[in-house]
Amino acid sequence: GNSVTQMEGPVTLSEEAFLTINCTYTATGYPSLFWYVQYPGEGLQLLLKATKADDKGSNKGFEATYRKETTSFHLEKGSVQVSDSAVYFCALRRSSGNTPLVFGKGTRLSVIA
Amino acid sequence: GAVVSQHPSRVICKSGTSVKIECRSLDFQATTMFWYRQFPKQSLMLMATSNEGSKATYEQGVEKDKFLINHASLTLSTLTVTSAHPEDSSFYICSASGGEQETQYFGPGTRLLVL
Repeated sequence: GNSVTQMEGPVTLSEEAFLTINCTYTATGYPSLFWYVQYPGEGLQLLLKATKADDKGSNKGFEATYRKETTSFHLEKGSVQVSDSAVYFCALRRSSGNTPLVFGKGTRLSVIA
Repeated sequence: GAVVSQHPSRVICKSGTSVKIECRSLDFQATTMFWYRQFPKQSLMLMATSNEGSKATYEQGVEKDKFLINHASLTLSTLTVTSAHPEDSSFYICSASGGEQETQYFGPGTRLLVL
């Protein structure tokens, strides 16, 4: 079946540090890949997405590249800010049909000043 | 981006009562809505998929008689937790999609506490 594995948290970084959150997936076919962010007390927001191999999604300084050969979609940001503190979820969706998302367990990021 | 609202945002109820949660797509027609449940510090677990005008499809292990889902229009889906018990306390999140290949937009969630 389809599944998403992302690195265990929590992750604590100092402001301006480099961030990587690893995400790998197992899926049949060619899924679309997503990163969602959940700020404290709020719902999920789409951060970025990629729909085919070698696509790079980017938003707010975050990037992730769809790597079919390693079945990965790692999230990176060059310089984190305190306001980036949140829980980050990697997710996939089968490319065909109006199907639900399959989520990883989430990675909590805390950025300290 | 598209907006999905949920109401109420927070509800506290007594054990044995029923609670209805509404999910609305405010600026697009949602052919499909999904209901998820999130336990503290855990991921979202899909409960059911709801298509407008048809019966919801429930995931294995989710009791359809306990979690009633109605998707009567292209902008509204409701989840009713019937005869709620403390173990039903959770964060319930809906998402809505305008169709195949469309981005899913999430509601802000409803926190349910059953006493």
